Amino acid sequence: EVQLVQSGAEVKKPGEPQKISCKASGYNFPNYWIGWVRQMPGKGLEWMGIVNPDDSDTRYSPSFQGQVTISADKSSSTAYLQWTSLKASDTAMYFCARLAYCSSTSCLPPDYWGQGALVTVSS
Amino acid sequence: QSALTQPPSASGSPGQSVTISCTGTSIDVGGYNYVSWYQQHPGKAPKLMIYEVSKRPSGVPDRFSGSKSGNTASLTVSGLQAEDEADYYCSSYAGSNNRGVFGTGTTVTVV
Repeated sequence: EVQLVQSGAEVKKPGEPQKISCKASGYNFPNYWIGWVRQMPGKGLEWMGIVNPDDSDTRYSPSFQGQVTISADKSSSTAYLQWTSLKASDTAMYFCARLAYCSSTSCLPPDYWGQGALVTVSS
Repeated sequence: QSALTQPPSASGSPGQSVTISCTGTSIDVGGYNYVSWYQQHPGKAPKLMIYEVSKRPSGVPDRFSGSKSGNTASLTVSGLQAEDEADYYCSSYAGSNNRGVFGTGTTVTVV
């Protein structure tokens, strides 16, 4: 059974660093891209970026380029999303999702999702 | 790359049908048969309901069906039930933005 299990909810202060994780099981981790999706309170789904766990190739959405770092560790079948300095506007639910296929120009829609990690940034 | 356009809301009575549209362009919805639909209940992860325009994953009731015409995909929920009340998002392969695109989301209310 394919599973993506994310780290738990976090409450952080502005300016603090943060790293959340997404551990995959039930399939060959290097064979599928992983994407990160932001959902701000009461809002829709936004792509942040994607990573190829096999070679760590990473693609960011323009809005998130330079704001976050996406990575993956094949040895632990885990993908990561990290910030160096959180802002209040980073308060959101963050989902990881498996992508069945990505070409050089796009990806198929996700087929499996993590349960989400709520990050709350407040002073 | 702009988000795919969905109506903000839709509603129906129990037992009725509701159809949600997802409008894109020729470089996403219209160009590929790779449209998926997700159901999301509050505080939960999106759940895959339809993939490749009209295919249902195992375990999804056949009350859910998908179709596409030109640049617009549609999700129909027949025989509405209380548990169908949720947000629904479409997503498509998009030939130019390196990751795909989501719809704006539709809140379905069972009245």
